[in-house]
Amino acid sequence: GAVVSQHPSWVICKSGTSVKIECRSLDFQATTMFWYRQFPKQSLMLMATSNEGSKATYEQGVEKDKFLINHASLTLSTLTVTSAHPEDSSFYICSARDLGRGNYGYTFGSGTRLTVV
Amino acid sequence: DAKTTQPPSMDCAEGRAANLPCNHSTISGNEYVYWYRQIHSQGPQYIIHGLKNNETNEMASLIITEDRKSSTLILPHATLRDTAVYYCIVRDPGTASKLTFGTGTRLQVTL
Repeated sequence: GAVVSQHPSWVICKSGTSVKIECRSLDFQATTMFWYRQFPKQSLMLMATSNEGSKATYEQGVEKDKFLINHASLTLSTLTVTSAHPEDSSFYICSARDLGRGNYGYTFGSGTRLTVV
Repeated sequence: DAKTTQPPSMDCAEGRAANLPCNHSTISGNEYVYWYRQIHSQGPQYIIHGLKNNETNEMASLIITEDRKSSTLILPHATLRDTAVYYCIVRDPGTASKLTFGTGTRLQVTL
């Protein structure tokens, strides 16, 4: 089945630094990937849609200059949290859809827990 | 995508069937019902999906009412490992639209 690998699984960084999270589709190509953020005891909130070879589409209220998304290949999207602050601490999850699997749903990565100190 | 309504939480004894309801009264003809679950601190996991017929796989069964305005996910023999938040999502798979999560149902399976 479709597998999405997300790395790192957790990261601790100092306030003001940047952190990059990678999302890879291992056995399929993904022209579109999605990035979510989840705060404790809350549901997943979509941050942006990552499009291969073009600019990402951000949801309302998400700062595109703070959350940089790059989707340079059909199997890799990256999310960079720039100038991270403690309020950016959250669980970040990516997902992708394998179009070759028809109507089956999206596959999700295992998530990255970011802690900014 | 149509909105869904789920109870915030449910309990189920281990070994018993867990029946998780979902209302989606504004579902349109092209929209499928998808179920995902999220075990604590993991990414969501696909469970099952359907359009109008009942569906069954190795994980669960999906019962969709004839008018398609509601559905029930059935875990036939719940185990402690099924403790998770279960999300019911309605969307048209023919579009590249994003997957929007509601608040889901927190299922607690107990001994």
